[in-house]
Amino acid sequence: EAGVAQSPRYKIIEKRQSVAFWCNPISGHATLYWYQQILGQGPKLLIQFQNNGVVDDSQLPKDRFSAERLKGVDSTLKIQPAKLEDSAVYLCASSPNPGGFDTEAFFGQGTRLTVV
Amino acid sequence: GENVEQHPSTLSVQEGDSAVIKCTYSDSASNYFPWYKQELGKGPQLIIDIRSNVGEKKDQRIAVTLNKTAKHFSLHITETQPEDSAVYFCAYSGRSNYQLIWGAGTKLIIKP
Repeated sequence: EAGVAQSPRYKIIEKRQSVAFWCNPISGHATLYWYQQILGQGPKLLIQFQNNGVVDDSQLPKDRFSAERLKGVDSTLKIQPAKLEDSAVYLCASSPNPGGFDTEAFFGQGTRLTVV
Repeated sequence: GENVEQHPSTLSVQEGDSAVIKCTYSDSASNYFPWYKQELGKGPQLIIDIRSNVGEKKDQRIAVTLNKTAKHFSLHITETQPEDSAVYFCAYSGRSNYQLIWGAGTKLIIKP
């Protein structure tokens, strides 16, 4: 079974530029998450989708971050404009169960973003 | 607010010895407590989880114990091996939005 695919693996941008990350979850998984992991910290949930609807985006900085999940499959996360504090690893995860908070989440390898 | 304290931040043990990582949480209504392992350059991977109606769960060399009264849960790894070296995260499902609240992680180092 193929895992969660993310691209790119690494990205370096200047502050105020924009950047986009892509995620392809495990086939058939209803729930998709985007997490931000700052070095030395645990993952922090940015947004959770169930199929193509948003379940929770309470911690997404909506003035600069946006995410979509078209057709309930692939997802993109965008930052515009980026700030230095956005430097982190952005992790995508998926879960087979709707709701998903109390079941296993399968993570991709992440995209390491450096804002200079 | 909801949070979880994880200790220690770094743990170094001799190969073959046991390792214990402890987490203390704040929300008494929580009912799901997973542990994830993250190797360098990879995403976290679930290694074991426990629900509030169970006090202990074991899977080969890994066990998790839950004390709901004291609001803490622990990961126990016995007969540690070099491949156990990684960062381990505890988490629990919080009351608001039921999203997972993650600990800061424990870097486990297995000395040969």
